[in-house]
Amino acid sequence: DVKVTQSSRYLVKRTGEKVFLECVQDMDHENMFWYRQDPGLGLRLIYFSYDVKMKEKGDIPEGYSVSREKKERFSLILESASTNQTSMYLCASSPRQLGDTQYFGPGTRLTVL
Amino acid sequence: AQRVTQPEKLLSVFKGAPVELKCNYSYSGSPELFWYVQYSRQRLQLLLRHISRESIKGFTADLNKGETSFHLKKPFAQEEDSAMYYCALRGTSGTYKYIFGTGTRLKVLA
Repeated sequence: DVKVTQSSRYLVKRTGEKVFLECVQDMDHENMFWYRQDPGLGLRLIYFSYDVKMKEKGDIPEGYSVSREKKERFSLILESASTNQTSMYLCASSPRQLGDTQYFGPGTRLTVL
Repeated sequence: AQRVTQPEKLLSVFKGAPVELKCNYSYSGSPELFWYVQYSRQRLQLLLRHISRESIKGFTADLNKGETSFHLKKPFAQEEDSAMYYCALRGTSGTYKYIFGTGTRLKVLA
């Protein structure tokens, strides 16, 4: 069964803290993605990676960075968390072939106080 | 600019009534179109994609390139269809990015 896992379901951090969100997929997918999901705004792409050590900015990369040292793992880093980064964060993976869909993790609800 | 527009934030229908969730897109080329669904307390999952031309859980969606639309339809809504629905687009050349709409919450009333 297809599996994308995220390290935490809920996370509470303080302003200024460094935050790591981890995502692991077991499907040998080339592509991995980080989104944030906010009411009324839908899913917005933060970063994506199409191969190990490769990354591209999405639509809202400011305040975030990513790391992909291994094919199965894609990390999202908030260098200095701010209250406007309180959100639901979704990780997804997909094969490279056209027509193939994305598979999503359960999400991490991050609250920054 | 590449864009996916879902004009309705909330759509309420009665059980047994037809449903149409609207999706319009802007893309210079031939995109792939998808509908994703998120049921309460579940992860986002694929509902259907235009290249499959399939019906899933009674839902269908036809890609209309002239109107740049990919509306999701079901003739008779069920209570279990209540969920958040997202339309998404993926380019077919040079990018692996998906672009999502803002979502439509469907509520099916008993």
